[in-house]
Amino acid sequence: EVQLVESGGGLVKPGGSLRLSCAASGFTFNNYNMNWVRQAPGKGPEWVSSIDGGSNYIYYADSVRGRFTISRDNANKSLFLQMNSLRGEDTAVYYCARELPITMVRGETPDYWGQGTRVTVSS
Amino acid sequence: DIQMTQSPSSLSASVGDRVTITCRASQDIRNDLGWYQQKPGKAPKRLIYAASSLQSGVPSRFSGSGSRTEFTLTISSLQPEDFATYYCLQHNSYPRTFGQGTTVEIK
Repeated sequence: EVQLVESGGGLVKPGGSLRLSCAASGFTFNNYNMNWVRQAPGKGPEWVSSIDGGSNYIYYADSVRGRFTISRDNANKSLFLQMNSLRGEDTAVYYCARELPITMVRGETPDYWGQGTRVTVSS
Repeated sequence: DIQMTQSPSSLSASVGDRVTITCRASQDIRNDLGWYQQKPGKAPKRLIYAASSLQSGVPSRFSGSGSRTEFTLTISSLQPEDFATYYCLQHNSYPRTFGQGTTVEIK
């Protein structure tokens, strides 16, 4: 059974840092691109970042580029999101989601998502 | 960046109604589009992938159509459990972009 389990969320002050993790199981992790998607309260989902299976191709939303870093550990089937210089507008539930790659930029519709981890940025 | 324009933003419908939701892409995305259903406090659930392929386990009253820039999600006969918010997502290029969402409410 495919499972994605996020952790690491919490309350942090503006300017602070947080590291999110996503533990994967039930599939060949390195065959998949992995995504972070967030959803602010009352808003729609927003794509944040993606990483391919070999960590060769990494993409970020403009809103987080330079502050967030995505990475993965294929040996331990884990995905990470290091979030620095956090702002109030980063407050959201953060989901990890897997995506089967088609080309360097095209993929299949992400199928499995985790349950999410909540990040609150507030003083 | 590819913009996804989803409409309507909300609709009221009755059980048994046929419901249609549309997403328009600002440029050709081939068939690299999926549809999700989301209920409060839950992660999005994939309904349709590659524009028209039905996710295993999803009722056949859901269907997707379209290609290039115009896409449609249809619910042929709305059921009580279908009241939720629906989103499209393009995965043709980066940044990935979602539609703004359509909330389906009970009339």
